[in-house]
Amino acid sequence: ETGVTQTPRHLVMGMTNKKSLKCEQHLGHNAMYWYKQSAKKPLELMFVYSLEERVENNSVPSRFSPECPNSSHLFLHLHTLQPEDSALYLCASSAGQGTYGYTFGSGTRLTVV
Amino acid sequence: GQQVMQIPQYQHVQEGEDFTTYCNSSTTLSNIQWYKQRPGGHPVFLIQLVKSGEVKKQKRLTFQFGEAKKNSSLHITATQTTDVGTYFCAGTTSGTYKYIFGTGTRLKVLA
Repeated sequence: ETGVTQTPRHLVMGMTNKKSLKCEQHLGHNAMYWYKQSAKKPLELMFVYSLEERVENNSVPSRFSPECPNSSHLFLHLHTLQPEDSALYLCASSAGQGTYGYTFGSGTRLTVV
Repeated sequence: GQQVMQIPQYQHVQEGEDFTTYCNSSTTLSNIQWYKQRPGGHPVFLIQLVKSGEVKKQKRLTFQFGEAKKNSSLHITATQTTDVGTYFCAGTTSGTYKYIFGTGTRLKVLA
């Protein structure tokens, strides 16, 4: 356990489905992040939340919708995804922005069929 | 936009040999971090460098930040099979929340 828990670990969904990824941290951190990791590509930052406020939306398509109800929880709502969205989705948290190391969760391996 | 490249992309070494990965940014960084991701795992934070020319050591690992704060290196002395994984650098510029991750170097250690 890293202190950042992601569920589910694996998810297979059809292109017309709606699903949500969940992330929970018990580290007292005040910043949370969603990253996408595809094969042969660098980690791509998707969203940043600081104190429950979204501070970064890195040109992510609207079929990905984040939600941060409190500083411990982060969701990524998925709808009408494409096969190219299949990837490992990683949640991370940090004590602040810019100068603190990230603690990553184990990720959700998403396959869109 | 800002890019962070790492070389080499892959490296196979015999156990006991040294290993170095290099990280190069297209822009000046305020600080740089290094992460290790084991096969099938998630990135784990190793270290952060902030000062120009800074050198930090963790046992067999030596991290260096360039004088111009545009490049960095990770050197592993006498590799072990437990060093297998992908090593990522991640840099940020002043005043931003965005850490841009490098392309990673995948290390394989042959026993």
